[in-house]
Amino acid sequence: KAGVTQTPRYLIKTRGQQVTLSCSPISGHRSVSWYQQTPGQGLQFLFEYFSETQRNKGNFPGRFSGRQFSNSRSEMNVSTLELGDSALYLCASSWTSGGAPDTQYFGPGTRLTVL
Amino acid sequence: SQQGEEDPQALSIQEGENATMNCSYKTSINNLQWYRQNSGRGLVHLILIRSNEREKHSGRLRVTLDTSKKSSSLLITASRAADTASYFCATRSGGSYIPTFGRGTSLIVHP
Repeated sequence: KAGVTQTPRYLIKTRGQQVTLSCSPISGHRSVSWYQQTPGQGLQFLFEYFSETQRNKGNFPGRFSGRQFSNSRSEMNVSTLELGDSALYLCASSWTSGGAPDTQYFGPGTRLTVL
Repeated sequence: SQQGEEDPQALSIQEGENATMNCSYKTSINNLQWYRQNSGRGLVHLILIRSNEREKHSGRLRVTLDTSKKSSSLLITASRAADTASYFCATRSGGSYIPTFGRGTSLIVHP
């Protein structure tokens, strides 16, 4: 099976712009989670989608949003970018019957730099 | 605050030596997972250990879990230069779907 793919791999934006990141989960996985990783804060959970519904949300401002499509592919959007949004954004997918997902499989990440 | 905290923050060893990393957490957990991350890349799942398990093995990896001490350890035996990476523990508690990651242990294995 192909692994989790994320596009683009690298992105440079300027403050105030918006950005959309894409994630394609492993075939058959219905849960997709997004994480932000920075040197200062470590890995922080953004949100999780399951069957096109946001099931869980971390403690991030409303500028961070996401969605999931019927084929389980997911996108996350960050509006009005700030310098502090520079980070590695990781997507993870997992198989779940509807309960809490166990093993998450991560994509390679999108490195976002905000200038 | 982080639920899991790895210790040490950094570890430098020679090839062939064993590497031990520890993870402590604060609240009761359902399971604990260990992940590896090579520089600037995604995380790779290593082992999941459930709260009713005490030890699991996978190849050169051995994970223990002590729920009374709220701690877990990851042992990598006969380390190789390719084991150089950051290692994270992630815990899931109660009815939460959200895994909480520690800040990781940076392991350097010198050839």
